[in-house]
Amino acid sequence: QVQLVQSGAEVKKPGASMKVSCKASEYNLIDYYIHWVRQAPGQGLEWMGWINPKSGDTNYAQRFQGRITMTRDTSLNTAYMELTRLTFDDTAMYYCSRGAHYWGQGTLVTVSS
Amino acid sequence: SYELTQPPSVSVSPGQTARITCSGDAWPKKYAYWYQQKSGQAPVLVIYEDTKRPSGIPERFSGSSSGTMATLTISGAQVEDEADYYCYSTDTSGNQGGVFGTGTKVTVL
Repeated sequence: QVQLVQSGAEVKKPGASMKVSCKASEYNLIDYYIHWVRQAPGQGLEWMGWINPKSGDTNYAQRFQGRITMTRDTSLNTAYMELTRLTFDDTAMYYCSRGAHYWGQGTLVTVSS
Repeated sequence: SYELTQPPSVSVSPGQTARITCSGDAWPKKYAYWYQQKSGQAPVLVIYEDTKRPSGIPERFSGSSSGTMATLTISGAQVEDEADYYCYSTDTSGNQGGVFGTGTKVTVL
């Protein structure tokens, strides 16, 4: 059974950085793109970008350019998403997905002073 | 930036048909995907590549695409179909990234 297991909830201060992991199981990470999506409380889904785990190529949504980095560690079968210079508006549930079909359970990141 | 527009809400009685539209300039060039999201849960794919249904999704869910609009149809809606629904496609005007629709709250009562 394909699974994506994400790291646990985090609380961050404004200006700090966050890094969420997404560990793939029952398949090889390099075989499918990983997308990252977020959802602020009471709001809709927002696409953040993707990474091609095989090549490391990335494609980020324009609004995150300059403060988002997606990486992967193929030896750990894990993808990562780092977001810097956090503001209160970055409080959200963050999801990774393998293509369209498989999603992680979500990681709640709260930005609070 | 590229946008996909959905109606904010759709209400149907149990057993009736619910139709959710998603307007954008990408179709028919790009595929539409549809997600169901129940409160406090991760999204679940219900339609992919315009019309295909993943295994385990009830047959009452179907998708279509025509002109600049994609449609998700729930034929014979059930109470358990009450959820938020989002369309998704590719931004053909920008960096070819993804874009979600604005979301539709489906109420079955």
